[in-house]
Amino acid sequence: NAGVTQTPKFQVLKTGQSMTLQCAQDMNHEYMSWYRQDPGMGLRLIHYSVGAGITDQGEVPNGYNVSRSTTEDFPLRLLSAAPSQTSVYFCASSYSMQRGVRDTQYFGPGTRLTVL
Amino acid sequence: QQPVQSPQAVILREGEDAVINCSSSKALYSVHWYRQKHGEAPIFLMILLKGGEQKGHDKISASFNEKKQQSSLYLTASQLSYSGTYFCGPEPAGNNRKLIWGLGTSLAVNP
Repeated sequence: NAGVTQTPKFQVLKTGQSMTLQCAQDMNHEYMSWYRQDPGMGLRLIHYSVGAGITDQGEVPNGYNVSRSTTEDFPLRLLSAAPSQTSVYFCASSYSMQRGVRDTQYFGPGTRLTVL
Repeated sequence: QQPVQSPQAVILREGEDAVINCSSSKALYSVHWYRQKHGEAPIFLMILLKGGEQKGHDKISASFNEKKQQSSLYLTASQLSYSGTYFCGPEPAGNNRKLIWGLGTSLAVNP
């Protein structure tokens, strides 16, 4: 198993550009989520999904869109990048939709995004 | 709403013990603990469930007092590999779909 994979590992954008961060898992996990991590701020939940076709907002959803068309993939779209979105982005997945996050979360390696 | 972790940072010599505390203002169902090394993704350590279940990981153990909405992580006879930032992620009772993470406790273990 590859676990949770994220691409790209690094990305530099200009203000106003859009892009998609990719996340995929091969563990058949129902629950997937996106976090951003800024220095001194810990992990903040952006969006999450409890299964294909179901997504919901986390703490800091503004400026981001998600979709979940398959169990495996959970892309994060930045609509119009802003310097405030400079951060490290982690995707995570967890075993069971019914149990929500009451199970181990497996994190991807992260994407380091810089918005100029 | 964010849980409070204490201390913010701790420096140990190899073999010493440490306790990291996590306190929430919300009623909790469970508490998750993760460790993150610099430049890497967080790694799962344990989950503690309502009802007092405790789970251990080598010389790392934890407790969960749901009445006080607090959890503590105990690192015994610390090893160099324990260095990193420790995060608690309480799961609010009645909402099993989100974790609200603490700001982390930086732990450095020196020889």
